[in-house]
Amino acid sequence: ETGVTQSPTHLIKTRGQQVTLRCSSQSGHNTVSWYQQALGQGPQFIFQYYREEENGRGNFPPRFSGLQFPNYSSELNVNALELDDSALYLCASSLDAVGGREQYFGPGTRLTVT
Amino acid sequence: DQQVKQNSPSLSVQEGRISILNCDYTNSMFDYFLWYKKYPAEGPTFLISISSIKDKNEDGRFTVFLNKSAKHLSLHIVPSQPGDSAVYFCAASAQSGNTGKLIFGQGTTLQVKP
Repeated sequence: ETGVTQSPTHLIKTRGQQVTLRCSSQSGHNTVSWYQQALGQGPQFIFQYYREEENGRGNFPPRFSGLQFPNYSSELNVNALELDDSALYLCASSLDAVGGREQYFGPGTRLTVT
Repeated sequence: DQQVKQNSPSLSVQEGRISILNCDYTNSMFDYFLWYKKYPAEGPTFLISISSIKDKNEDGRFTVFLNKSAKHLSLHIVPSQPGDSAVYFCAASAQSGNTGKLIFGQGTTLQVKP
């Protein structure tokens, strides 16, 4: 059983640009959640996808969007990048969207916006 | 509005002694709590969890205690080992919810000295 993987590991973008981050969930996990972790803070929930539909969203603007595909892969897209978007982005997969399920995290993508 | 708080940014203990990490929460809807450990350049790794119907859960060297009336939980590590040195996050969720989103604290950096 493979774990959760993310790509790329690091990314540097310029303010105003767009970025796509990718995640591959554990096989059989039909739920993926995305989190943003700023320096010195805990991860903050961005949104969750369950069976390819958005299933809950945190306090993030619409320029943060996502996709989930049938092959257990998913994407986080951020448009019109701002300096404050610089953070570690984590995806986490779980068996389903039931509250209380353990979530299995990938290593993250470190995004730097200059 | 920080719903989950870890008020100690860091903790240093001697190898073999007990490590106690604390976490407070404000939302009474939370009924499932998890602890994650994070090493640098890796994603958070699930450690142990507890449901609100229990007040204690034990797994080897790790024990989590929950005091619902005080809205407080703690993680005890006995005996502490140098390999336990990492950032520890507590997280909370509402099992009655249909997203299972996790609300994280800010983290506590544990250093176990040989």
